[in-house]
Parts: sequence; C-alpha cells; structure tokens
Amino acid sequence: EVQLLESGGGLIQPGGSLRLSCAASRFTFSSYAMSWVRQAPGKGLEWVSSISGSGGSTYYADSVKGRFTISRDNSKNTLYLQMSSLRAEDTAVYYCAKDQEGVEFRFDPWGQGTLVTVSS
Amino acid sequence: DIQMTQSPSSLSASVGDRVTITCQASQDISNYLNWYQQKPGKAPKLLIYDASNLETGVPSRFSGSGSGTDFTFTITSLQPEDIATYFCQQYDNLPPNFGQGTKLEIK
Repeated sequence: EVQLLESGGGLIQPGGSLRLSCAASRFTFSSYAMSWVRQAPGKGLEWVSSISGSGGSTYYADSVKGRFTISRDNSKNTLYLQMSSLRAEDTAVYYCAKDQEGVEFRFDPWGQGTLVTVSS
Repeated sequence: DIQMTQSPSSLSASVGDRVTITCQASQDISNYLNWYQQKPGKAPKLLIYDASNLETGVPSRFSGSGSGTDFTFTITSLQPEDIATYFCQQYDNLPPNFGQGTKLEIK
C-alpha cells in the first residue's frame, strides 16, 4: 500500500519561509507525478502545485506562484514544497498526493497532512 | 479558471436513503471530473475518476455520471460510515479546481 508522510509544518511568522517534505514509499516514486493540495481550517480544498515524475515540469496555483517552489529528490523518494514570503492566508493543512504516471491531477492517495500556521 | 459549483452544500439523510450530489462546471470539461470523500479529521480519498469510473476497492453503492458541465454523484443506500464531506474536482484545465464540498450527515 502506498504511503505518503508529510513533515515540516509549524508556526511561522508572516514573511517567513518553511520547507515541507513528503516521504513516499511502496511505489516507484520516480514514475509518478506528485502534487500538493491545501485546506484552510474549516474550508475546502485548494490545489497548490504539481510536478512531473522526472521533475522537469512544474505547475503552480496563481496564489503561490513566485513564492512557493515544488521539487523532488527521486533518489530519496521525497517531495518538497519550499514556501517563502508566507502570508496569513497560507495557513492550512498541506497534503501531498500521488498522481498518475503523467500529470493528470488525479490525486490518489493523499498523505495525512501537515499543518502550517502563519501568524505573528 | 473553471468554477465548480456543488449542491447542496449540506445534506441530511437516513441510513438506506439514496443520496445525490450535483456538480456544475462553468464550462465544458468533458468527463474530466473526480469525486473525493473526506471523513472528519482525515485526508480526502478518491472515489470516482473520469466522472463515472469507480476507484478500486470503493463500494459499488457509490457512482458518478455526467459529462460536459453537469455531473451527479450518487450513494444508492446510505451507510453510517458514509458520513463525510464530498468534493468534486475538474482536471480539464489548470488550475484543477475543487467544488466547495457537500457535507453529508445522518438524520
């Protein structure tokens, strides 16, 4: 069974930076696109970013473009989200999710999530 | 951006009831639609992809239909474990937007 384990969340001041990680196991990580999706407290789901299996193609929501960077280390089976210039509205649970072999935005499965709180 | 409008936003039904949730896209998305279930405190789970294909292991009481702009998600006989919020999501165009969710409760 595919496993995805996010880490790196926490309390950060506005304007600060944080790096999230998602450790993947029990599948051939490099063969699959991966994504980050977030959920503000009590709110709906918002797609954040996706990356192809090779890492050669990346995609971002307008709300994070220029501030967040998605990357992956296929030798470590790990997905990352580098977040900078954080704002209060970035407060959310961040989920990593496995996609298909291509970037198809079919998110399955999801990790358990890591909470990012942006507050002074 | 393509907007996804789900209705109703909340729903109360009895065990054994047939439950229907609709999702409308602001433009034609063919069949590029997924449905997810999110139980309280848990991560979302993909139930249906390509509008009508049941994900492996998902009970057959769940189904989806539709194409173009109008889609339907159905639970044929509601079970207590189906209490969750359900989200549709289009993937025809970037960004792959979600509907606002439908919170399903037991009457």
